[in-house]
Amino acid sequence: QKEVEQDPGPLSVPEGAIVSLNCTYSNSAFQYFMWYRQYSRKGPELLMYTYSSGNKEDGRFTAQVDKSSKYISLFIRDSQPSDSATYLCAMTSQGGSEKLVFGKGTKLTVNP
Amino acid sequence: EAEVAQSPRYKITEKSQAVAFWCDPISGHATLYWYRQILGQGPELLVQFQDESVVDDSQLPKDRFSAERLKGVDSTLKIQPAELGDSAMYLCASSSGPGQGRYEQYFGPGTRLTVT
Repeated sequence: QKEVEQDPGPLSVPEGAIVSLNCTYSNSAFQYFMWYRQYSRKGPELLMYTYSSGNKEDGRFTAQVDKSSKYISLFIRDSQPSDSATYLCAMTSQGGSEKLVFGKGTKLTVNP
Repeated sequence: EAEVAQSPRYKITEKSQAVAFWCDPISGHATLYWYRQILGQGPELLVQFQDESVVDDSQLPKDRFSAERLKGVDSTLKIQPAELGDSAMYLCASSSGPGQGRYEQYFGPGTRLTVT
């Protein structure tokens, strides 16, 4: 079992839809959780950063962390064609090398 | 806005040749990371530097890969000799290091390597 599991999709939605992206993980030491957006042939761009459990909102984006279930989510409201990209979850534990452990990424297409 | 710079953006090389990638992190960022991303996968850490020191190189194939950050600023990743399986995107990231924001890593545009 990989440390971080993420459904690769692809996921296709109409413009304006609410998108839900999810990851599960097995390492209970993970405490810092990130979502990155990666456009084709570009480097990942940090979208959201959350510490421990709870919710964090930034504009149309909401990140949720449920440590008891080892489950994290990213919600995109009022999705736009410009949101079409691959979304990567990543996580790390406190201390140590702080390396990020990534999911495989979910490819999202928002259709006009 | 400050960004991580990488060059070249694309590199095609024949197997058994040597290849090198360069990274300039965000100014003031003490921690620098090299990741490899195979198509359809998430990035995987190859090496992490804190200033000029290696913190983690446990996943770096040391028989062919080397990395340096001599003055604690920019960094070079080298592969010699390149193999077909090295074809991937090589990503550099940086973070501010110990203290607040240490876990926020910012990535460069990457170098896409194709080995023929």
